[in-house]
Amino acid sequence: DQQVKQNSPSLSVQEGRISILNCDYTNSMFDYFLWYKKYPAEGPTFLISISSIKDKNEDGRFTVFLNKSAKHLSLHIVPSQPGDSAVYFCAASVRGRDDKIIFGKGTRLHILP
Amino acid sequence: DAGITQSPRHKVTETGTPVTLRCHQTENHRYMYWYRQDPGHGLRLIHYSYGVKDTDKGEVSDGYSVSRSKTEDFLLTLESATSSQTSVYFCATSDSLNQPQHFGDGTRLSIL
Repeated sequence: DQQVKQNSPSLSVQEGRISILNCDYTNSMFDYFLWYKKYPAEGPTFLISISSIKDKNEDGRFTVFLNKSAKHLSLHIVPSQPGDSAVYFCAASVRGRDDKIIFGKGTRLHILP
Repeated sequence: DAGITQSPRHKVTETGTPVTLRCHQTENHRYMYWYRQDPGHGLRLIHYSYGVKDTDKGEVSDGYSVSRSKTEDFLLTLESATSSQTSVYFCATSDSLNQPQHFGDGTRLSIL
C-alpha cells in the first residue's frame, strides 16, 4: 500500500511559467515532508522540506505548500528554468520516531523552451 | 555534499553469484541507508544503520544483508543474486534523526 503517492508520472511546462508538482499521502502520522530532485545518473539531492506545523515553506524559486486536512502537498517552481528538468520525489516521515523516509514514485518534469 | 562514494558504479554478474556493494562516507554521519530504485516504484529502503554494528530492515530487505563495521562504511550484500535484484542501488547518509538524507550517485547492477 502506497503511503506517499505522486499520481503524475510526468509533467511538461514552458520555460518561465510555474511548475506545480503534487503529492498525496495516506498516513496521518507523517509530520515531516521533503522534496528531492534527481538528474539522470546522479543520486537524488535534497531540495526543500516542510514540517506539519507550517503550511508553507519558501526557498528562492521553490515553495512547498502543505494541506494537512487534505493530506496533500505541492511543490511550486517559479519561474521554471531548463535546469529544473529532472525527476522530483516527494517523501514523508514521522519525526521523533525513526528516520525512515517513505518516498513517492517520482514525477518527471520537462521544461520546454 | 556529504562526500558519499559508492563502488562499483556499474556491475554485471550472473544469477546465483554473491555481490557486495560498498558505500563510503567522509562526513561522519551516524545514519546510513541502502535504497533501490526501479521503474514504477521510486526509491525503496532495503536496510539502514543507526550506528556501527546497528542495522535494521527496510521495506524490501529479503535477499539482502548489510554490515557496518566502521562509521564510514556500509556494505550491502546479495548472497545469491537473482534477476529481480537488477536495479539501481543508492546509498544515503544523514547526520541525525529528521535531517534530510544525502545520496551517493548510485550503482547500476545487472543480474543476467
